[in-house]
Amino acid sequence: QQNVQQSPESLIVPEGARTSLNCTFSDSASQYFWWYRQHSGKAPKALMSIFSNGEKEEGRFTIHLNKASLHFSLHIRDSQPSDSALYLCAGDTNAYKVIFGKGTHLHVLP
Amino acid sequence: GGIITQTPKFLIGQEGQKLTLKCQQNFNHDTMYWYRQDSGKGLRLIYYSITENDLQKGDLSEGYDASREKKSSFSLTVTSAQKNEMAVFLCASSPGTGVYEQYFGPGTRLTVL
Repeated sequence: QQNVQQSPESLIVPEGARTSLNCTFSDSASQYFWWYRQHSGKAPKALMSIFSNGEKEEGRFTIHLNKASLHFSLHIRDSQPSDSALYLCAGDTNAYKVIFGKGTHLHVLP
Repeated sequence: GGIITQTPKFLIGQEGQKLTLKCQQNFNHDTMYWYRQDSGKGLRLIYYSITENDLQKGDLSEGYDASREKKSSFSLTVTSAQKNEMAVFLCASSPGTGVYEQYFGPGTRLTVL
């Protein structure tokens, strides 16, 4: 059964810091990987996706995918208080469903 | 653009009661999902429907039933509400599976007395 592990569970950083969130998946057949962000009391919303090994950058956000090590990460440059949220990584499975990790709570202190 | 509507926003039931949550989307998406989110935690898949006439169990389907009445609507029934399943239930839709982004509704918060 596909499993997605996220670390750390919680993270507190000062404004302006570089933040790294990690995700490890168990199914080497997974092809599509997503990061979702959920602000408190709101619905999750897709942040970024990556479908092949390497790196993808959008503004202050960069994601890395290494299928060989089954590792997927999100890096936030110049973290802002508005980045405070629950970050969920997700990957597809052979059964055409998406499995989410348990999330990392990020708190950016002003 | 489109929107996902979930009703009711808050649902209060008695232990052992059968409860139904409803979801409507106007994206014209093929695939719909039901997830359960316990307080401040990740999402666990209950049921999903790849196309209008399809129904698939997720990892947390025991104690739940689902129904895809038509392409735009997907209902979830809690067959016998238990106190330990108080959570937010999120509905989502996407054009298909895997490569496509999922769009989430605002959720139904379930409280069991």
